[in-house]
Amino acid sequence: DARVTQTPRHKVTEMGQEVTMRCQPILGHNTVFWYRQTMMQGLELLAYFRNRAPLDDSGMPKDRFSAEMPDATLATLKIQPSEPRDSAVYFCASGLVLRGPNTEAFFGQGTRLTVV
Amino acid sequence: AQKVTQAQTEISVVEKEDVTLDCVYETRDTTYYLFWYKQPPSGELVFLIRRNSFDEQNEISGRYSWNFQKSTSSFNFTITASQVVDSAVYFCALSGATGRRALTFGSGTRLQVQP
Repeated sequence: DARVTQTPRHKVTEMGQEVTMRCQPILGHNTVFWYRQTMMQGLELLAYFRNRAPLDDSGMPKDRFSAEMPDATLATLKIQPSEPRDSAVYFCASGLVLRGPNTEAFFGQGTRLTVV
Repeated sequence: AQKVTQAQTEISVVEKEDVTLDCVYETRDTTYYLFWYKQPPSGELVFLIRRNSFDEQNEISGRYSWNFQKSTSSFNFTITASQVVDSAVYFCALSGATGRRALTFGSGTRLQVQP
């Protein structure tokens, strides 16, 4: 049963600490998305990658957030230094996007981040 | 710019009632894709359906049905004979067919189905 795997599922950290979230996309998918969900803003796109290359990270605060895909099986989202306003659920999703139709994006279970 | 509006913040129904969740979208793309996702209390986002803009045929899957009307830029979702397990937040989303392919989500509609 193919699924997107995110770790950790929950993270509590102190303000100023570095946080790294990891995502294993579904094998064969060429696109990875990072979304953040908060009560106030809903689901916001932070970044997305196609064939491991960043296509859009305009939704990400550049001074503290960074996203990478070291290889096709791993995507990472880092926050350094973390702040209380970063508390949210962070979702990774993967999909297969070709020249023609999009396929649907499949989401991981999310990482619930709490910064105190 | 793309935009998805789900005007219904929360809906409460009694089991076995039919319920329709509204979704209105804006896009300049001539080809685009529409989606519905379900987020149950456990928190994960579950894909329900994808619709291409060039296919306006309505779709039915069990108790779920979707009505796509390009003329009104709407993609509404109906649950027939609702059940308690349908209680969740439902998101409508939109993506382009070229360039920006990421999903733009609506704010979601929370559906509460009472026994």
